[in-house]
Amino acid sequence: AQSVAQPEDQVNVAEGNPLTVKCTYSVSGNPYLFWYVQYPNRGLQFLLKYITGDNLVKGSYGFEAEFNKSQTSFHLKKPSALVSDSALYFCAVEGDSSYKLIFGSGTRLLVRP
Amino acid sequence: DTGVSQDPRHKITKRGQNVTFRCDPISEHNRLYWYRQTLGQGPEFLTYFQNEAQLEKSRLLSDRFSAERPKGSFSTLEIQRTEQGDSAMYLCASSLHRDRAMNTEAFFGQGTRLTVV
Repeated sequence: AQSVAQPEDQVNVAEGNPLTVKCTYSVSGNPYLFWYVQYPNRGLQFLLKYITGDNLVKGSYGFEAEFNKSQTSFHLKKPSALVSDSALYFCAVEGDSSYKLIFGSGTRLLVRP
Repeated sequence: DTGVSQDPRHKITKRGQNVTFRCDPISEHNRLYWYRQTLGQGPEFLTYFQNEAQLEKSRLLSDRFSAERPKGSFSTLEIQRTEQGDSAMYLCASSLHRDRAMNTEAFFGQGTRLTVV
């Protein structure tokens, strides 16, 4: 069965510091991996995706993610956090034989000034 | 603005009543998805359409739930005999499917928040 795990309910960082939001996945075949962000009372906004190729994927708003096949991880990173990055972040996987997204439980990112 | 519209944004209904939500996808997108999100959880897949064909339904989608996409454009999600456990945010998303490597990502609407009292 396909699954996504986000082990941290919340991540706290100071503005200007680097941030990492962790994600691990379990899926048969070649995974398509995604990160979405959700602001209060809003839908999900796409940040970036990994399909194939370079393991380091760059996305919107200065975010990037590193695909690690051996560790089945797809951690979201940003070199310098902004207060405006504070939101709920979801990792998702699209399985090899299904087009639906399986989401993790989400990680709340809090960037303090 | 992602371009996916959902109506209404909020719905409060009494237990046992029927409700219907509408989703208008991005116009050129041939795939449309419905997800349900409860507080503190990630979205859970309910069903998806390619054009007007409903291709997959989750076991979460009980017989009280029905979804349609009659002309391959907008979609409706109906919940009959609502229960308090149906209270959630219902999210619609759309994407353009060509072949797997060429698919766009899913674009989400702002959701319909359902409260069953």
